[in-house]
Amino acid sequence: QVQLVQSGAEVKKPGSSVKVSCQASGDSFSSFPLNWVRQAPGQGPEWMGGIIPVFGTTKYAQKFEGRVTITADGSTTTTYMEMFSLRSEDTAVYYCARSRREWELPTYFDSWGQGTLVIVSS
Amino acid sequence: DTVLTQSPDTLSLSPGERATLSCRASHDISNSLAWYQQKPGQAPSLLIYDASNRATGIPARFSGSGSGTNFTLTITSVEPEDFAVYYCQQRGYGGTFGQGTRVDIK
Repeated sequence: QVQLVQSGAEVKKPGSSVKVSCQASGDSFSSFPLNWVRQAPGQGPEWMGGIIPVFGTTKYAQKFEGRVTITADGSTTTTYMEMFSLRSEDTAVYYCARSRREWELPTYFDSWGQGTLVIVSS
Repeated sequence: DTVLTQSPDTLSLSPGERATLSCRASHDISNSLAWYQQKPGQAPSLLIYDASNRATGIPARFSGSGSGTNFTLTITSVEPEDFAVYYCQQRGYGGTFGQGTRVDIK
């Protein structure tokens, strides 16, 4: 069973960027995609995109194309989500989550990080 | 993107009662649907995948059914630890989630 540990909370100004990390341990960091899912206060989760670490292949939800970059570092088994041009509506908890199936983006998510709160406020 | 609409928004039940939660997809998604449980301050947790398969370690009181556009999550006898918010999610384009159903104590 993989364990996913995320970086700490962030407070950002509108227009700035944020980079959140997620370190995986306890399982292979390879063909099972790692995804980013956000949840705004009082709302349902929202899939943002994901990466297949062994190839670096990414896929993004249309809403986040061009504003989010997901990367992976195999040497540290860490994946990163960077979001640009932040606005107040981006205030949310951001989760990394592992795909239940190899190679598949998106799919179901069977392991989740603890979440990272990102607050965007002037 | 496929839109998932859950009903009801809130379900108030006593322990031991049966819970029936609904998820409707805006178009046919075959059986490509999952259900998650989320408790306050925690990440969602996978309960059911491919509409009717229980994830590892999930008790038999949880069951899923449906295909196409109409799906149901049933809890045969609600336990105190089952009071939470439940989300459906489809694994096709966009990976969208429903807005959630809260199961709370009557």
